[in-house]
Amino acid sequence: DSGVTQTPKHLITATGQRVTLRCSPRSGDLSVYWYQQSLDQGLQFLIQYYNGEERAKGNILERFSAQQFPDLHSELNLSSLELGDSALYFCASSVQGQTWETQYFGPGTRLLVL
Amino acid sequence: GENVEQHPSTLSVQEGDSAVIKCTYSDSASNYFPWYKQELGKGPQLIIDIRSNVGEKKDQRIAVTLNKTAKHFSLHITETQPEDSAVYFCAASYPGGGADGLTFGKGTHLIIQP
Repeated sequence: DSGVTQTPKHLITATGQRVTLRCSPRSGDLSVYWYQQSLDQGLQFLIQYYNGEERAKGNILERFSAQQFPDLHSELNLSSLELGDSALYFCASSVQGQTWETQYFGPGTRLLVL
Repeated sequence: GENVEQHPSTLSVQEGDSAVIKCTYSDSASNYFPWYKQELGKGPQLIIDIRSNVGEKKDQRIAVTLNKTAKHFSLHITETQPEDSAVYFCAASYPGGGADGLTFGKGTHLIIQP
């Protein structure tokens, strides 16, 4: 158990809908990362937050947004969902969000868009 | 940005034999190279990592080597056991460029034959 929690575990929704994925980092970690894992694209970095502020952006679509709250939990919002958004979404956390730090991954949320 | 190539995509070895997975990276500025193990239905779990100021690191049956000149790093698992069966991902951390998340290889499915 990495100490990172994610809810829900599974999510089934329809095209055009909006969903919110939630992540709680390990105790003491200030930085949260979001990744998408799909069969064709593999594991891809989406976005990083550090202590409530956006720090880095990767391959995140404009339809997706995220935020980190004062209690350090983070939410990833996915809107106008398309079939291709079906994937596993992972949250990871690290202490200070530096590039050389270990990132600990949560169990993921499996999203299925029908 | 960084690009990570991982080989082979599938590796089958006899129980007790050694397994080697190789990765190359493109950006000489990358300074952190973790390896993750992912079991079915779970999130990636860090098994070992190496930073650019070190050439080799060992943890019991697992070792990682880094060749900065050639820009490649390898995972070595000795005395393989059935519980080693999983998908293994290498990754590189690219400091800066607006994307400080990990760049992952496509993964290696390691199968341990009894």
